Amino acid sequence: AQSVTQLDSHVSVSEGTPVLLRCNYSSSYSPSLFWYVQHPNKGLQLLLKYTSAATLVKGINGFEAEFKKSETSFHLTKPSAHMSDAAEYFCVVSDLGGAQKLVFGQGTRLTINP
Amino acid sequence: GAVVSQHPSRVICKSGTSVKIECRSLDFQATTMFWYRQFPKQSLMLMATSNEGSKATYEQGVEKDKFLINHASLTLSTLTVTSAHPEDSSFYICSARKGAPAGPLSSYNEQFFGPGTRLTVL
Repeated sequence: AQSVTQLDSHVSVSEGTPVLLRCNYSSSYSPSLFWYVQHPNKGLQLLLKYTSAATLVKGINGFEAEFKKSETSFHLTKPSAHMSDAAEYFCVVSDLGGAQKLVFGQGTRLTINP
Repeated sequence: GAVVSQHPSRVICKSGTSVKIECRSLDFQATTMFWYRQFPKQSLMLMATSNEGSKATYEQGVEKDKFLINHASLTLSTLTVTSAHPEDSSFYICSARKGAPAGPLSSYNEQFFGPGTRLTVL
């Protein structure tokens, strides 16, 4: 069975400073991993995905994540936070077989301080 | 491309009534659609997987008779909450996948999410 743990329920950073949202996964197989963002009253948007190609994945809006198998981690980073980055972020794992269902982490709420 | 819509975006109903939520893929055909539930300040929990033309597969703990899912066409899936009660109040989100899984690098693996429907049962 797959699972993900987002280590922080809430992260607060100042505008212009780096962002780090932490995620650890558990999977019996080589997983597909995703980061989604959810803005208030809006649908989920895919930021980036890892599917066993390059371990450093670049996504939209300047975000990137690095797959580290030895640490079973897939942390999301951004060099410089923008006010518009304030949202809820979900780390997601998917199995490679069957229906390829998505399993969501608990979410991390990112707050950006001016 | 790959836009998914949900209707209604918000619904308030009385306890005991049934509510239907529609999920549509607007610019692609979705052989598989998923229904999720999200409680306030919590994560998304998969309720069921529906494949066009066949019965939905429900996750453990989800009542089939309470949450009726129909996926009658390649662009439409519906979730009906029957005899709704206040504890059914939640944010319901659907997603759609373009085609059958074709390997981890295939774009067909990606799920595209609708904006969600907020259900309030009084």
